[in-house]
Amino acid sequence: QKEVEQNSGPLSVPEGAIASLNCTYSDRGSQSFFWYRQYSGKSPELIMFIYSNGDKEDGRFTAQLNKASQYVSLLIRDSQPSDSATYLCAVRDNYGQNFVFGPGTRLSVLP
Amino acid sequence: NAGVTQTPKFRILKIGQSMTLQCAQDMNHNYMYWYRQDPGMGLKLIYYSVGAGITDKGEVPNGYNVSRSTTEDFPLRLELAAPSQTSVYFCASSPTRPPDTQYFGPGTRLTVL
Repeated sequence: QKEVEQNSGPLSVPEGAIASLNCTYSDRGSQSFFWYRQYSGKSPELIMFIYSNGDKEDGRFTAQLNKASQYVSLLIRDSQPSDSATYLCAVRDNYGQNFVFGPGTRLSVLP
Repeated sequence: NAGVTQTPKFRILKIGQSMTLQCAQDMNHNYMYWYRQDPGMGLKLIYYSVGAGITDKGEVPNGYNVSRSTTEDFPLRLELAAPSQTSVYFCASSPTRPPDTQYFGPGTRLTVL
């Protein structure tokens, strides 16, 4: 059973702080990793994708991947109240067909 | 370019009724997926398809059926609805080449009473 694990939260951070979201996965052969943001009552929307070990930055967001540790994280700098949402980690399996989602981490940015 | 569309947005069913949730995409993606999301939970894969005429079960397929006669459409059929099928259903599609992210439809909120 391929699994993706995340802390369910809620994770509360003050406005302007760095929010750190973590994700571990069980399938060592996974090649593609994604972070989605989901507002309450809405569908998931892509924040970042990462394929290689190391960091990938896009604006206030940085994704970090460590395949040896089977660990992927998302950093949100200068957190804003509008970042308050559930963040879903997703991993595409080694065959490139299925995505396995974590349960999501609920982030609350306090003004 | 509408992306991924789903109909209906909301539906209430009685126990034992059947219905089809519609999903269509106009991005020429080969891969399509159906997920359900229960309150406060993550996404569970019901069925997926890697191309027209090819479907396979996901994690929670019982009580559902799918077909894929065209690249664009991937309907989900609920037979003999049960209260346990009360959920939000999301359809998604993805390309085969990187960036191979999934694009989600707006969802269908289904209640079975």
